Amino acid sequence: SYELTQPPSVSVSPGQTVRITCSGDTLPNELAYWYQQKAGQAPVVVIYKDTERPSGIPERFSGSSSGTTVTLTISGVQAEDEADYYCQSRDSSDTVLFGGGTRLTVL
Amino acid sequence: QVHLQESGPGLVKPSETLSLSCSFSGGSISSYYWTWIRKPPGKGLEWIGSVYYTGTTKYNPSLKGRVTISIDSSKNQFSLKLNSVTTADTAVYYCASYTGRFFDFWGQGTLVTVSS
Repeated sequence: SYELTQPPSVSVSPGQTVRITCSGDTLPNELAYWYQQKAGQAPVVVIYKDTERPSGIPERFSGSSSGTTVTLTISGVQAEDEADYYCQSRDSSDTVLFGGGTRLTVL
Repeated sequence: QVHLQESGPGLVKPSETLSLSCSFSGGSISSYYWTWIRKPPGKGLEWIGSVYYTGTTKYNPSLKGRVTISIDSSKNQFSLKLNSVTTADTAVYYCASYTGRFFDFWGQGTLVTVSS
């Protein structure tokens, strides 16, 4: 079965840039999506179709894709960006896949 | 804009059946796969399964055999039943609208605790 692998945690100082990766064998063939989940809240999509940013999501959020890895980049991190981030895709049988999640800590 | 709201018991005994409902409004029922997702404490998101307005379902293979998702189009509601629950099924359960590629709207989530 397919899996999506993320680092469990990353930390960054305010104003710096952080990159969160998501790796999986299905990613060359399927689009990826990124969600931000703050404590006690439902997830919100911050990147769709690998690189697109929904309206209302700050420009400091961006996505990229290369081979079996997709990356969420947050440039100029702010304290309010502290959250859990999940990548999501699907496999060839339409099973939905979530990465294990990455806890972003803003120092 | 789709609005979703989960409802159901917050406490279920081990070996019994967890039952939740989700009421939705503001979207076309045929535009989405109506979906259940859960987040156990200290763990990540897990897709449980989805139902289309026709009644067609798709389940997470890791839960298949224990889960049933159904839809009542006349009431704009869909439901989750999870059999033979254990403490590992304790989680915040979310209902969400799935485009076939991503989840664009979510309910607020409801905590279900499995305990005797």
